[in-house]
Amino acid sequence: NAGVTQTPKFRVLKTGQSMTLLCAQDMNHEYMYWYRQDPGMGLRLIHYSVGEGTTAKGEVPDGYNVSRLKKQNFLLGLESAAPSQTSVYFCASSYERERPEQFFGPGTRLTVL
Amino acid sequence: AQKVTQAQTEISVVEKEDVTLDCVYETRDTTYYLFWYKQPPSGELVFLIRRNSFDEQNEISGRYSWNFQKSTSSFNFTITASQVVDSAVYFCALSEARYSSASKIIFGSGTRLSIRP
Repeated sequence: NAGVTQTPKFRVLKTGQSMTLLCAQDMNHEYMYWYRQDPGMGLRLIHYSVGEGTTAKGEVPDGYNVSRLKKQNFLLGLESAAPSQTSVYFCASSYERERPEQFFGPGTRLTVL
Repeated sequence: AQKVTQAQTEISVVEKEDVTLDCVYETRDTTYYLFWYKQPPSGELVFLIRRNSFDEQNEISGRYSWNFQKSTSSFNFTITASQVVDSAVYFCALSEARYSSASKIIFGSGTRLSIRP
């Protein structure tokens, strides 16, 4: 099993450009999450999904959109990138409420100039 | 509201020393989960342990041990006979087992542990 994979690993954008980060998991997990990690701030939840076709806002959702068209994929979109969105983005998935531990992808390092 | 505090921003010890990473949490729920994650220099986040709020039994896994005390709202992590490979950022985290169907996890700000040879 590959676990949780993320594409791309690195990306540099100019202010105003758009992009989509792809997360895929092969563990048949129901829940998926997108986090951003900034120095000294731990991980902050952007959006999450409790199942195919559902999404919900997390702690810092502004400037991001997500879609979960297939159970194994969770996409994070930036419509108009800003320098404040320079960060490392992590995708995670978990199986069920009674087993809430999340398993993380390797991360995507995004720089917005 | 839930909160996780890791007061130790950085710790540096010499190899083979024992080291304890502190974690204090706040929650109004009676049922919750606590976690520890490791983030080595390579950047990935590795799940180490989950503890349920109704299970205060301490756990040992090799050189790692965890001390959960509800009375002080703490979930401390001890590494015995530390090794250079233990160098990483360690995150403590909390998830409330509410009626919501998603297991949202709140992370502490992390403790950077450096093990010197």
